[in-house]
Amino acid sequence: DTAVSQTPKYLVTQMGNDKSIKCEQNLGHDTMYWYKQDSKKFLKIMFSYNNKELIINETVPNRFSPKSPDKAHLNLHINSLELGDSAVYFCASSLQQPGNTIYFGEGSWLTVV
Amino acid sequence: GEDVEQSLFLSVREGDSSVINCTYTDSSSTYLYWYKQEPGAGLQLLTYIFSNMDMKQDQRLTVLLNKKDKHLSLRIADTQTGDSAIYFCAESLPGNTPLVFGKGTRLSVIA
Repeated sequence: DTAVSQTPKYLVTQMGNDKSIKCEQNLGHDTMYWYKQDSKKFLKIMFSYNNKELIINETVPNRFSPKSPDKAHLNLHINSLELGDSAVYFCASSLQQPGNTIYFGEGSWLTVV
Repeated sequence: GEDVEQSLFLSVREGDSSVINCTYTDSSSTYLYWYKQEPGAGLQLLTYIFSNMDMKQDQRLTVLLNKKDKHLSLRIADTQTGDSAIYFCAESLPGNTPLVFGKGTRLSVIA
């Protein structure tokens, strides 16, 4: 069973469209994250939710809106997609405790054309 | 500030040992991690070490931590072609903060 699963794995879309990436974890974790990995493989935190509440919101355009309907889900909605949004987006989860080992999903490859 | 640095590339011959190095700036790190990313795949936790330890061994993997120098290394013994991947160093800071990742070291194993 996949611990952290995200869909779709691949997404090709045109500039200006709105798209969503879904994430679910079955680990019983209380904290979920979205990371962006750019073309140079650099990983940056975008958002973090704990018990459905937003706790970290890094400098991300407000076209990106996370939604957490429950502790096991954290979806990422992106409005008015731009070329620079092309990247791999990783969902992750952990327990909120010291030494929070984070478990990652397989990534969603977004290409904006 | 938080900063985690690693060299970007490492090339080794199959059967040799690989050593991937990482330095960090924040001395309040609680845990330090190594993650592996294989081509086209997600991030997989390889191992981690608590900040009051100086060594941890797990089969072919040895993690060394020099807290004074803020230096972390991952040694892979008997490196195999399946070890070819990007290895990310990450640190966990106190409080409700996300992991801080290095830029990743791309390990290439030559047969």
